[in-house]
Amino acid sequence: EDQVTQSPEALRLQEGESSSLNCSYTVSGLRGLFWYRQDPGKGPEFLFTLYSAGEEKEKERLKATLTKKESFLHITAPKPEDSATYLCAVGSSARQLTFGSGTQLTVLP
Amino acid sequence: DVKVTQSSRYLVKRTGEKVFLECVQDMDHENMFWYRQDPGLGLRLIYFSYDVKMKEKGDIPEGYSVSREKKERFSLILESASTNQTSMYLCASSLIDSYNSPLHFGNGTRLTVT
Repeated sequence: EDQVTQSPEALRLQEGESSSLNCSYTVSGLRGLFWYRQDPGKGPEFLFTLYSAGEEKEKERLKATLTKKESFLHITAPKPEDSATYLCAVGSSARQLTFGSGTQLTVLP
Repeated sequence: DVKVTQSSRYLVKRTGEKVFLECVQDMDHENMFWYRQDPGLGLRLIYFSYDVKMKEKGDIPEGYSVSREKKERFSLILESASTNQTSMYLCASSLIDSYNSPLHFGNGTRLTVT
């Protein structure tokens, strides 16, 4: 059974304080690892897809990396508008996406 | 931009009622999905559809059914609502399989069953 665990559950940062969110997974045949951002009262919004270990993707202050067991979402010099819940999901050969329960990020001004 | 529209933001229903949640997408996507989102449990797949009139069970289909009569519309049906179906329901679509193309989500329907 595919499993996705995200940590920490919640993270509070000061503006400009860089940090990383973790997504560890066990899947049978990884097809892709996805990061989404979810703002309160809205549906998740796609950020990145990573397909193989060693791959990296960047967008503004966010960088996602992938190893064979986990993915990190690095946030460099975050701003208050980066506050959101970040969701990780994996797709495998056996099934549709399996989502983690998310990391709620709060960036304080 | 893909737009996925869910017909209601908030719904309050009574136990035993039949409930319809409607979802429409405007980008001719083949695949459509229904998830529910609960604190600490993440998003869990209820049903998905990869073509008109086709449907597949997800991880938690019990107590739900779906209908896809037209490509752009995917309906979730709670045959007899129960309090444990109180949740946020999210509809999504994707161009191809969800592990090959991103999901585009609607803004959700928060259903309360009393």
